[in-house]
Amino acid sequence: EPEVTQTPSHQVTQMGQEVILRCVPISNHLYFYWYRQILGQKVEFLVSFYNNEISEKSEIFDDQFSVERPDGSNFTLKIRSTKLEDSAMYFCASRNALATNEKLFFGSGTQLSVL
Amino acid sequence: GESVGLHLPTLSVQEGDNSIINCAYSNSASDYFIWYKQESGKGPQFIIDIRSNMDKRQGQRVTVLLNKTVKHLSLQIAATQPGDSAVYFCAENAGNNRKLIWGLGTSLAVNP
Repeated sequence: EPEVTQTPSHQVTQMGQEVILRCVPISNHLYFYWYRQILGQKVEFLVSFYNNEISEKSEIFDDQFSVERPDGSNFTLKIRSTKLEDSAMYFCASRNALATNEKLFFGSGTQLSVL
Repeated sequence: GESVGLHLPTLSVQEGDNSIINCAYSNSASDYFIWYKQESGKGPQFIIDIRSNMDKRQGQRVTVLLNKTVKHLSLQIAATQPGDSAVYFCAENAGNNRKLIWGLGTSLAVNP
C-alpha cells in the first residue's frame, strides 16, 4: 500500500535554529497537510496546501512557519527560529483529489526536540 | 467553540471482548467523521469513516455509529485482540479545506 514518508524520524535542535521537516506524500495525492502533536495532547492542524499554495492555516502557523513543495514530490515544513514550545511530533498527511475520498494518509511523523 | 472530545481517556478490556469507544462532537456543520488508530511511535492509521448521511457503517471487526441528534460517534471493535491496543482518535471534517478537528484520544488496553 502506498504510504506517506517523513524524514528525519527524530530531529534535535537548539532554540533559535532553523529546521526543515521533509515529507513525500503519496504520488497521486494533491492535498497536503501538516499536523502536530505535543506529547500527551491531541493532534492539532497546522496548515493545508493545494495547488501550490496554502489553502488554510491555523493560529499556530505563524510567520515562523512556512511550507513548500519544491520539486513536485517533496512537501516541506520549515520553522525559521525554533522555540522550546515547538517541540512536538509533526505529522505530514495527504489525500486524493477525489471529492468522495476524504481519507487522510499520515506519515510516521518527525519528533522535533528543541533544546 | 468547535471541539471534538472523547468521554473516556482510557479503556481496558479483556481479549475477545467487544470494545466501545465514544466520542462527542459539537460542530453541527461537520459532515464527515473518521476514526484513527495510533500505535506508539507511529502516525495515525485510518480505521473507518462515515458521512453524516449515514448512521452506521461496518468494516472488518469494526463498526462506527453516528447519532447526529446528540452529536455522538462511537467505534465498536468486535473480539478485541492484543494488536488493537493503541490510542484511538475520532476526528471531524468540516469546511472547504476539509481539515480534521481531533479529539483527545482514548487509550485502549487489551488484557490477555
